[in-house]
Amino acid sequence: DAGITQSPRHKVTETGTPVTLRCHQTENHRYMYWYRQDPGHGLRLIHYSYGVKDTDKGEVSDGYSVSRSKTEDFLLTLESATSSQTSVYFCAISADSINEKLFFGSGTQLSVL
Amino acid sequence: GENVEQHPSTLSVQEGDSAVIKCTYSDSASNYFPWYKQELGKRPQLIIDIRSNVGEKKDQRIAVTLNKTAKHFSLHITETQPEDSAVYFCAASQQGGKLIFGQGTELSVKP
Repeated sequence: DAGITQSPRHKVTETGTPVTLRCHQTENHRYMYWYRQDPGHGLRLIHYSYGVKDTDKGEVSDGYSVSRSKTEDFLLTLESATSSQTSVYFCAISADSINEKLFFGSGTQLSVL
Repeated sequence: GENVEQHPSTLSVQEGDSAVIKCTYSDSASNYFPWYKQELGKRPQLIIDIRSNVGEKKDQRIAVTLNKTAKHFSLHITETQPEDSAVYFCAASQQGGKLIFGQGTELSVKP
């Protein structure tokens, strides 16, 4: 997938274990985002970043943390996974303006058993 | 907080007919309204967006209209084709720039 890569694409884990999802971009875009997608809820913002080491919370940030040590990488960590965090996670990037013209990655299907 | 309501949740049309999806928002400060299309198993993709200083925007068979007074905006797809079948999401910006998405509309175009 040109420009943005998410890894892993699928993951199954157990309740209480830590999980880290990675988003890597080659576009040198300033803004990066993590969304989760659940049936009936559309896309909900977890955290976003507006630069290296600059991050902020979204509407569903509880239980998640993020880090951005390089422009190209944005990591999402579930410190202690719960079944309610079973979801499809999308990373997105945008270039010039926050939250405008988002380009999404292919998604990570996470199952917490 | 900001809320975006999207209707209908499912929509079935015959090929060649028009489809209209409507969203309402609550934050009067919202000034950016994008629409994303998500095919089954794929990523969401931006198809059109509009700013609050514009009432209508068109791109080939797709158009978006905005009524700021009523706080609603709509996606219009004309001459629908089977490849238009997908889930469509509207979104509205809130203060601080964050996007709030609607719940999605599953559009089915029957040949």
